[in-house]
Amino acid sequence: AQSVTQPDIHITVSEGASLELRCNYSYGATPYLFWYVQSPGQGLQLLLKYFSGDTLVQGIKGFEAEFKRSQSSFNLRKPSVHWSDAAEYFCAVVLDTGRRALTFGSGTRLQVQP
Amino acid sequence: DVKVTQSSRYLVKRTGEKVFLECVQDMDHENMFWYRQDPGLGLRLIYFSYDVKMKEKGDIPEGYSVSREKKERFSLILESASTNQTSMYLCASSQGGRNTEAFFGQGTRLTVV
Repeated sequence: AQSVTQPDIHITVSEGASLELRCNYSYGATPYLFWYVQSPGQGLQLLLKYFSGDTLVQGIKGFEAEFKRSQSSFNLRKPSVHWSDAAEYFCAVVLDTGRRALTFGSGTRLQVQP
Repeated sequence: DVKVTQSSRYLVKRTGEKVFLECVQDMDHENMFWYRQDPGLGLRLIYFSYDVKMKEKGDIPEGYSVSREKKERFSLILESASTNQTSMYLCASSQGGRNTEAFFGQGTRLTVV
C-alpha cells in the first residue's frame, strides 16, 4: 500500500531562519505530489504541486519543494520563515495508477519563535 | 474561487444517534472525498466518489456510509455514532483525473458524547 512519511512531528524555528520539512513516499509508481498547509481552525490550502518536468517547483507564500526520485522525497523549503507561517503542513501523493484520492502524511506542526 | 462548504463547523451528538455531515461544492467537480483528521495520524480517507450515485471505500470506511445524489453534494453518514468517531471531518473536491488539486472545506468538528 502506498504510504507517505513525514518524520518530523513538530519543528520550531526562529523567525527569519530557513526551513526544510521532509516528506518521503514508498512505492515505485509515478507519483503526483502535493504540499498543503492548515492554519489553526482552517481547512487545507494547497502550497504547491509536482506532476512532471522541472523537479524544483515554486509555490505560494515563498515556498518551494524539490522532487528527488532516487530518494523518494519531496521536501518543502522556505529561505526565511515569517511568524505567519506557523501552521501544520501536510505532504500528500496521488499515484499514477489506481484511485484519485490523496494519501496524506501525518503532518508536521511548525512553530515560529520571535 | 472554488468553494467547498460543509454544513456545520461544530456538532455534538449522542452515542447511537444517526449523524449526517453535508458537503457542497460549487465548481462542478467530478470527484468528492471525505477525510477524517486526528492528531498524529494526518488525514485518512473514509469514502470517495467519482460521479453521481457512485462511491468507493477509502482506508477507514467502517461505521460510515455516504450518499451522492447530486453532483455538487456529498454526504457522510454515521449510522450509529460512537465516541471513537469524535474527530475533525474534512470534505474535499477535485476536477477530473489524478493530477488536479483537491479543494477542502473548513471542516466539521464532531464530538460524540
